[in-house]
Amino acid sequence: NAGVTQTPKFQVLKTGQSMTLQCAQDMNHEYMSWYRQDPGMGLRLIHYSVGAGITDQGEVPNGYNVSRSTTEDFPLRLLSAAPSQTSVYFCASSYRAHYGYTFGSGTRLTVV
Amino acid sequence: DQQVKQNSPSLSVQEGRISILNCDYTNSMFDYFLWYKKYPAEGPTFLISISSIKDKNEDGRFTVFLNKSAKHLSLHIVPSQPGDSAVYFCAASDDNDMRFGAGTRLTVKP
Repeated sequence: NAGVTQTPKFQVLKTGQSMTLQCAQDMNHEYMSWYRQDPGMGLRLIHYSVGAGITDQGEVPNGYNVSRSTTEDFPLRLLSAAPSQTSVYFCASSYRAHYGYTFGSGTRLTVV
Repeated sequence: DQQVKQNSPSLSVQEGRISILNCDYTNSMFDYFLWYKKYPAEGPTFLISISSIKDKNEDGRFTVFLNKSAKHLSLHIVPSQPGDSAVYFCAASDDNDMRFGAGTRLTVKP
């Protein structure tokens, strides 16, 4: 019973590099989302998906892309990393937005 | 603009006493409110929630109160235990997405 699995746990990127943060859940949840956590800012919503094939923007979507080709997977892509994207990223899933989310353990990303 | 606000970055209480964490929101479309607990190097875990049609919800030592007219909710922990020491996030949802506050770090002293 894995829940929400995020990989990698840690990553260092150079400015301008691209990468994909992986997120997978095995609970058959329709709703998935990505948040970033920064000191003093709490958790800010980047993108979310209400089901396979459907995605939408959150509070801070610039610089990030997502896709949802399956119910299980919701990868987050950084096209050209910037130091401002240094953060801890959390993926979450739920049956719907109203229910308590199950979070992954996070990916700590540093952009130098 | 931050639609969910936790104005106290930290709170320290003695073991056995009550902990009260506060949260304010601005978006009147929010109709579901939640509290999460987060330990270092882990993802947040869901603690308790309340629908906008209620003003109180209890789960063991945890009680959430909602005042819709004031757009305010609070989490009461009674009695507080050292294991409750963590960062607590308030969250609000309009069934479309969920927004979080900045968090309050609770320290429960033995």
